[in-house]
Amino acid sequence: AQTIHQWPVAEIKAVGSPLSLGCTIKGKSSPNLYWYWQATGGTLQQLFYSITVGQVESVVQLNLSASRPKDDQFILSTEKLLLSHSGFYLCAWSRDWGSYEQYFGPGTRLTVL
Amino acid sequence: GDSVTQTEGLVTVTEGLPVKLNCTYQTTYLTIAFFWYVQYLNEAPQVLLKSSTDNKRTEHQGFHATLHKSSSSFHLQKSSAQLSDSALYYCALSEGASSSFSKLVFGQGTSLSVVP
Repeated sequence: AQTIHQWPVAEIKAVGSPLSLGCTIKGKSSPNLYWYWQATGGTLQQLFYSITVGQVESVVQLNLSASRPKDDQFILSTEKLLLSHSGFYLCAWSRDWGSYEQYFGPGTRLTVL
Repeated sequence: GDSVTQTEGLVTVTEGLPVKLNCTYQTTYLTIAFFWYVQYLNEAPQVLLKSSTDNKRTEHQGFHATLHKSSSSFHLQKSSAQLSDSALYYCALSEGASSSFSKLVFGQGTSLSVVP
């Protein structure tokens, strides 16, 4: 069975500070990986996707970046946090070509003060 | 691009009564699949229902939905709401015909509150 783990569970950070959120998938080789952001009370917005190691595509610009250093790892980061970055960050995975269902991780709650 | 509309932000229903959550969509691409995701408090969204076949009823955990391409709708229904159904429900569509990844487009979400 596949498992998805996100770290940290929650973060409280200052405006202007750096951020790094992580996501690991176990039990599935070469998954498609995704980062989502959910503002408090808002909908889910896809930020990035990755089909393979070292390749990341941006879906929406929020002054964030993402990287995929390993097949099972997806990192979301920024050098300078903004207040508007607060929210719930979710990592998701899907099988490769032909599968459209995405499976979400437990998420990271980010509060920027 | 594609869009999903959920007209109700909050639906309150009495336990045991039927409930319907509305979902309509607009698509300019070849949309492959439609989903209802449920998100319980402080948890990640999870798939409740999925469909890619027009006019075919899909059921799971007492909920059902039928994709109607003629009216661009994928409403979620349950005949008897339970207290445990209280959660946030998202309608979503997947556009991915021409690429090897699935882009999910979510609606704004409907918060369902089931009261005794």
